[in-house]
Amino acid sequence: QSALTQPASVSGSPGQSITISCTGTSSDVGGYNYVSWYQQHPGKAPKLMIYEVSNRPSGVSNRFSGSKSGNTASLTISGLQAEDEADYYCSSYTSSSTWVFGGGTKLTVL
Amino acid sequence: EVQLVESGGGLVKPGGSLRLSCAASGFTFSSYSMNWVRQAPGKGLEWVSSISSSSSYIYYADSVKGRFTISRDNAKNSLYLQMNSLRAEDTAVYYCARGTKGVGATDFDYWGQGTLVTVSS
Repeated sequence: QSALTQPASVSGSPGQSITISCTGTSSDVGGYNYVSWYQQHPGKAPKLMIYEVSNRPSGVSNRFSGSKSGNTASLTISGLQAEDEADYYCSSYTSSSTWVFGGGTKLTVL
Repeated sequence: EVQLVESGGGLVKPGGSLRLSCAASGFTFSSYSMNWVRQAPGKGLEWVSSISSSSSYIYYADSVKGRFTISRDNAKNSLYLQMNSLRAEDTAVYYCARGTKGVGATDFDYWGQGTLVTVSS
């Protein structure tokens, strides 16, 4: 199972919006609505930000939103804040009853 | 409050074995699937293994199949990962993560702080 494809890095200024893409296949992202996004600050454990493509867990800011079109999922962060600077990973359930992560995207807030 | 606390990591020689544990609290452990996810130094996340709430369904990544064994003890609210025939490429921080359901497709809603496994001679 190949890793999902994410851009290595994205950047934006405070207050701006950014979008991180996550491309898979019809056997994972395109075939299931169990696509999730995780935020990871250096030296910390990952934190669930979006589950089942577009749902936000309790306590996660509504500045974070998710969507999916075909084999590509997207995470959008609006009103960028300095605290959003982190690594972001997407994940998808697969047709093999396994899970696959994206390679990760480093978000820099300029 | 949901808490997942991993233990058992350390330095082991290639070919050696190690058993990781994850102690769960703050939720009904027996109702949720559990997972191990690892992260090699400076690298991304890699799913390792999953076990359903009643241990009926167990899955492994190809990279660890035949070498690692996942198990759980619902009476002790604990998750385990027995790692045998360890290789240098198994060096990573190992996280336990809760699935959002008891069985089948899920996302991972709570994560432990991780335990470092280093495989080196």
